[in-house]
Amino acid sequence: EIVLTQSPGTLSLSPGERATLSCRASQSVASSYLAWYQQKPGQAPRLLIYGASSRATGIPDRFSGSGSGTDFTLTISRLEPEDFAVYYCLHYGTSGTFGQGTKVEIK
Amino acid sequence: EVQLVESGGGLVQPGGSLRLSCAASGFTFSNYRMNWVRQAPGKGLEWLSYISRSGTTIYYADSVKGRFTISRDNAKNSLYLQMNSLRDEDTAVYYCARDRWEQHVDYWGQGTLVTVSS
Repeated sequence: EIVLTQSPGTLSLSPGERATLSCRASQSVASSYLAWYQQKPGQAPRLLIYGASSRATGIPDRFSGSGSGTDFTLTISRLEPEDFAVYYCLHYGTSGTFGQGTKVEIK
Repeated sequence: EVQLVESGGGLVQPGGSLRLSCAASGFTFSNYRMNWVRQAPGKGLEWLSYISRSGTTIYYADSVKGRFTISRDNAKNSLYLQMNSLRDEDTAVYYCARDRWEQHVDYWGQGTLVTVSS
């Protein structure tokens, strides 16, 4: 069973700063099956990145994904006020595994 | 516009049963695999179950295997989750989510809250 570990648990940053979120898999996974989601309080998750690095429809280009094997990264180049939220990575195969989430909060 | 609308949540006693529904619109439901995902209060996301387009291939998380049953009715554009032997730890918001290319989930419903409590 694949385990995804996200770090840090909480990231305290100011608007305009760069955010770097990590998702580490317990074993190598195919990049095709790695996605990132944003979730705001009281809302369903929203797909940001699929295939480790492809932006979903309508996602601003300040969001980017990278990585391969066991190490994946979500980068938000310049935080906007609406980006403060919880972010999850997902490995999706014959079963799904989510990371525990990273909360990006306003410093 | 893709829409997924869950219903059927509510308060149920431990050991009880509940059936969740997810009504799909805005896309050809029979062409898509589907999933259920849940989120306990204040916690992260947990994938629960997957069903293929025809319903012949099904997967479950170990936490619900043998207690929950996923099914679909393509004629009614609907996804279901039959939940039996419910436990306190099954308390969560339950989301249906659409599979894309068997590689990720793209669209999510707004969720329905299930509370298991005596």
